[in-house]
Amino acid sequence: QQQVKQSPQSLIVQKGGISIINCAYENTAFDYFPWYQQFPGKGPALLIAIRPDVSEKKEGRFTISFNKSAKQFSLHIMDSQPGDSATYFCAASAGLTGTASKLTFGTGTRLQVTL
Amino acid sequence: GAVVSQHPSRVICKSGTSVKIECRSLDFQATTMFWYRQFPKQSLMLMATSNEGSKATYEQGVEKDKFLINHASLTLSTLTVTSAHPEDSSFYICSARKGTDTQYFGPGTRLTVL
Repeated sequence: QQQVKQSPQSLIVQKGGISIINCAYENTAFDYFPWYQQFPGKGPALLIAIRPDVSEKKEGRFTISFNKSAKQFSLHIMDSQPGDSATYFCAASAGLTGTASKLTFGTGTRLQVTL
Repeated sequence: GAVVSQHPSRVICKSGTSVKIECRSLDFQATTMFWYRQFPKQSLMLMATSNEGSKATYEQGVEKDKFLINHASLTLSTLTVTSAHPEDSSFYICSARKGTDTQYFGPGTRLTVL
C-alpha cells in the first residue's frame, strides 16, 4: 500500500532528447508528489512537485504529468543536457492526513545524457 | 529558497566511538526534520522523524538507542550514532520540512567506521 514503483531503473538519452521517468502508487491517500534530483555524493534536490488537483505542471524544461485515475505520474525532461545526468527519485506523501508528511520514495532512475 | 546544511560532510571514526551529525535549516524554521540513510545505488530509507521539542519517531527496525535524535530548536536537529560499528558506515541525509509537506534535503554526511 505504501509503495511507489519507479521505472526505468536506468535510462540513456541523447543530448536534446526527451527523458521520461514513470512512477505508480497504490495509496490513494497520497496527495503530494515531488521529484528529486541527486548527484553522486550529494543530497537530493527538489526539482518539481504536483498535487492531484492538476494534471500537469511545468517548470522550465521539467514537466510532471499526473493521472489520478491510473495512480501514475511521470517526469519529462525536455531538451535533455549532459548536466542532467543524475539519479532521479519520485516520491509521494499524504501530508494532509496527519502523518507528518513522510515521503515514500521510488527506487530511483539513473539518467545518462550522451553527447 | 530553502537551504539545509549538514555537518560534518565526512567523518571517519573508530569502532565503538560515537559520532554526532548536525542538520540545520538556514533560512527557515522547521518544526519537523527527517533523517535518512542511503546505501550505494539505492533509494533513501527513512530512519526517523524529528519534531522540535518532542521525542523522535523511529521507523520499524531502527534502533532508537543506537541512533539518538535531538531536535532542540526550530533550526537544528542532531543525529548521534552511538557505539558505531562498521555496519553503520553509510550516507546519512537529513531533510527539513517547510510548510505542510515540502522537504528540503541537506548535502549528506558520509560516515565511515573503521
